[in-house]
Amino acid sequence: AQKVTQAQTEISVVEKEDVTLDCVYETRDTTYYLFWYKQPPSGELVFLIRRNSFDEQNEISGRYSWNFQKSTSSFNFTITASQVVDSAVYFCALRSGNTGKLIFGQGTTLQVKP
Amino acid sequence: GAGVSQSPSNKVTEKGKDVELRCDPISGHTALYWYRQSLGQGLEFLIYFQGNSAPDKSGLPSDRFSAERTGGSVSTLTIQRTQQEDSAVYLCASSFGTGTGNTEAFFGQGTRLTVV
Repeated sequence: AQKVTQAQTEISVVEKEDVTLDCVYETRDTTYYLFWYKQPPSGELVFLIRRNSFDEQNEISGRYSWNFQKSTSSFNFTITASQVVDSAVYFCALRSGNTGKLIFGQGTTLQVKP
Repeated sequence: GAGVSQSPSNKVTEKGKDVELRCDPISGHTALYWYRQSLGQGLEFLIYFQGNSAPDKSGLPSDRFSAERTGGSVSTLTIQRTQQEDSAVYLCASSFGTGTGNTEAFFGQGTRLTVV
């Protein structure tokens, strides 16, 4: 079975704090792809990043960084020096094998307070 | 177009009526997906298309739901005899082919359906 778990339902931080959003996935396929999306209050889902199962190299993009660890089936997302504009719902997603189906976690609501 | 376009953006319908939701994907994208998001909930997979065929329609909640895609482009999601539990935001996404899976999907703004 394929599954994505985002155990944190809601996180609240004060601006400039660092925050990590957890994502744990399950799949039996050896080839799979992981994604993070952001859904701001406006409602549109915005693509943030894609990682392939054969590339465990972590990535940093500005204030965002992602930690992909196959040993723990995790793909965590860290925002450094959070800003109010980072307030949104963040979704982790999995596409496994040759299926086109994207499986989403339940999402983590991040609130960044000024 | 520049992005995935969905219409209408909002739809209010009476219980029992049929509705059609339209999705116009990004030009050149061969894969198209439909998801449903109820208030404050995650994304529920409905169906996806590769070209005009639907390899996976396992997420359609009942036989009242159907979808088609013609010309490898525009897709229509039809809900017959709508029920109040069908109220949700219906999201469409598109991507390049899913053969290798290494392509991200881009989402439209969604259609907010309210059944009264």
